Amino acid sequence: DAGVIQSPRHEVTEMGQEVTLRCKPISGHNSLFWYRQTMMRGLELLIYFNNNVPIDDSGMPEDRFSAKMPNASFSTLKIQPSEPRDSAVYFCASSGTGVTGELFFGEGSRLTVL
Amino acid sequence: SQQGEEDPQALSIQEGENATMNCSYKTSINNLQWYRQNSGRGLVHLILIRSNEREKHSGRLRVTLDTSKKSSSLLITASRAADTASYFCATVFLGTYKYIFGTGTRLKVLA
Repeated sequence: DAGVIQSPRHEVTEMGQEVTLRCKPISGHNSLFWYRQTMMRGLELLIYFNNNVPIDDSGMPEDRFSAKMPNASFSTLKIQPSEPRDSAVYFCASSGTGVTGELFFGEGSRLTVL
Repeated sequence: SQQGEEDPQALSIQEGENATMNCSYKTSINNLQWYRQNSGRGLVHLILIRSNEREKHSGRLRVTLDTSKKSSSLLITASRAADTASYFCATVFLGTYKYIFGTGTRLKVLA
């Protein structure tokens, strides 16, 4: 079975540009999480969804960040406009084994904002 | 910050030795999980221990949980070079879906 699929794997963009990261969770999973990983701040939880509904977005750093989950098989994380400090690896993870079971991570999207 | 703290930050051992890493957290939890991350890859789940459990084993892994001290440890026995990775604890807070990851321990196993 396919795991969590993220795209793009690498993105290099210039400051001010819009960035859209995509995630396809494992089929049947009903919880989806977006994390950001940097050397300085480690793994930060940005937002999580349950049954396509955003439950907690308190980790979203600024209004420049937005996330959507229009259906059970797709989610996006958008940054507009992007800034150099947004450079990080963004991970999507999904979970389906009850409320607090194992998380399955994608391979991440490495974002570099010049 | 709700983030857990792990120590040591980095650990270097010889193949065959045991590796122990520790995790502390701040609030009441539903369960605690350990994950592994190889360089440039996503995190992979290793083991889950519930708040009413004190110890759990899985292959060469042994996890303990002390809820009175809000701490957990992960022991990898008979380490191998392939165990070289970063290891993270994740706490799941009571009544939430929130998985908060610790700062991680970078383990290097020398062949």
